[in-house]
Amino acid sequence: DGGITQSPKYLFRKEGQNVTLSCEQNLNHDAMYWYRQDPGQGLRLIYYSQIVNDFQKGDIAEGYSVSREKKESFPLTVTSAQKNPTAFYLCASSIRAGSLSLHFGNGTRLTVT
Amino acid sequence: GENVEQHPSTLSVQEGDSAVIKCTYSDSASNYFPWYKQELGKRPQLIIDIRSNVGEKKDQRIAVTLNKTAKHFSLHITETQPEDSAVYFCAASNSGGSNYKLTFGKGTLLTVNP
Repeated sequence: DGGITQSPKYLFRKEGQNVTLSCEQNLNHDAMYWYRQDPGQGLRLIYYSQIVNDFQKGDIAEGYSVSREKKESFPLTVTSAQKNPTAFYLCASSIRAGSLSLHFGNGTRLTVT
Repeated sequence: GENVEQHPSTLSVQEGDSAVIKCTYSDSASNYFPWYKQELGKRPQLIIDIRSNVGEKKDQRIAVTLNKTAKHFSLHITETQPEDSAVYFCAASNSGGSNYKLTFGKGTLLTVNP
């Protein structure tokens, strides 16, 4: 079953801890993206990667970091510097950087207390 | 950067009626406008998209129209069914530039009442 896998579905952390969200795709897509979804705020872009070993900041990158060491994987780290980390995080991919037809994962709901 | 405004934020219709969701964008260079549907607890899925070289696109009961001059585009759903109930997001992008990213609207919660 091809697609994007995000794990875990629910994640709980204490304030001050870094946490890494997993995103794996077996679609052989070049580009990958991380979005944050808050109620009434739509989808806001955190980071995106057009190709392996390259990534760019999106609109709300502060307090987040990513890596793209493998084509299939694009993990997102939510650091203690992120002031409001509790949110629903969506990973997405597209076949290439110029194609904006996004395929989304099922998301990870992160709760920080 | 691009700014996308979406209205209304909530929309309730009776089964069989039509639903219209409208979006405006700020960047005149934007040329790609997709719509995503997100059912409760599920991932967003692309349902239809339009590029700036066409004014209208249809796919069965859904259609999208684009007015480049006014910088707005709309999603039209006809003969609505309960399974159309979801949050719908519009988005815009300048896919010809070096920044390959979508800017999303805040979403419209559509409820279709049986």
